[in-house]
Amino acid sequence: AQRVTQPEKLLSVFKGAPVELKCNYSYSGSPELFWYVQYSRQRLQLLLRHISRESIKGFTADLNKGETSFHLKKPFAQEEDSAMYYCALRSYGNKLVFGAGTILRVKS
Amino acid sequence: DGGITQSPKYLFRKEGQNVTLSCEQNLNHDAMYWYRQDPGQGLRLIYYSQIVNDFQKGDIAEGYSVSREKKESFPLTVTSAQKNPTAFYLCASSISSAEGYGYTFGSGTRLTVV
Repeated sequence: AQRVTQPEKLLSVFKGAPVELKCNYSYSGSPELFWYVQYSRQRLQLLLRHISRESIKGFTADLNKGETSFHLKKPFAQEEDSAMYYCALRSYGNKLVFGAGTILRVKS
Repeated sequence: DGGITQSPKYLFRKEGQNVTLSCEQNLNHDAMYWYRQDPGQGLRLIYYSQIVNDFQKGDIAEGYSVSREKKESFPLTVTSAQKNPTAFYLCASSISSAEGYGYTFGSGTRLTVV
């Protein structure tokens, strides 16, 4: 069965510190993974997708098929990065399966 | 301005009542989805539709119903059979079966049973 696991409900870091939001998945097919972000009082929006190998707002994520992971990383956290982050896996029928989400709090 | 619109933003329902949440998109997307967002549980799929006049149950469809009579619209009815309807409901749309494309989400409807 397809599943996305985000083990941390809350991650709290200081401004300027590195950030790593963990995401592990289980899927029998070829995975397609995304990170979504929800800032306070804003709608859920796409942050990045593994297929494009892009860096958005300083965030990157590399798909590691051996470890079935897609961790989100940023070398230097900023206060405006504080938000809820969801990892998502595209499943059969074009459905997205979401993890439980991780709240990132960046302290000054 | 293209986008996906959910209404109302807040909805209060008495026990035993059915309520309908609206979702409209002008992105010309084929596929539409309804998710329920609860703290600590992430987003769970209720129903989805890949084309007009067709829809499938998601993981938690019990107590909900949908229709897809027009490409632009995908309303969700929360029936009295839904045992715990208080939640934040999110509608999304996407280009159907397109690799690399994610979803576009609406701003959500918060439903409270009073």
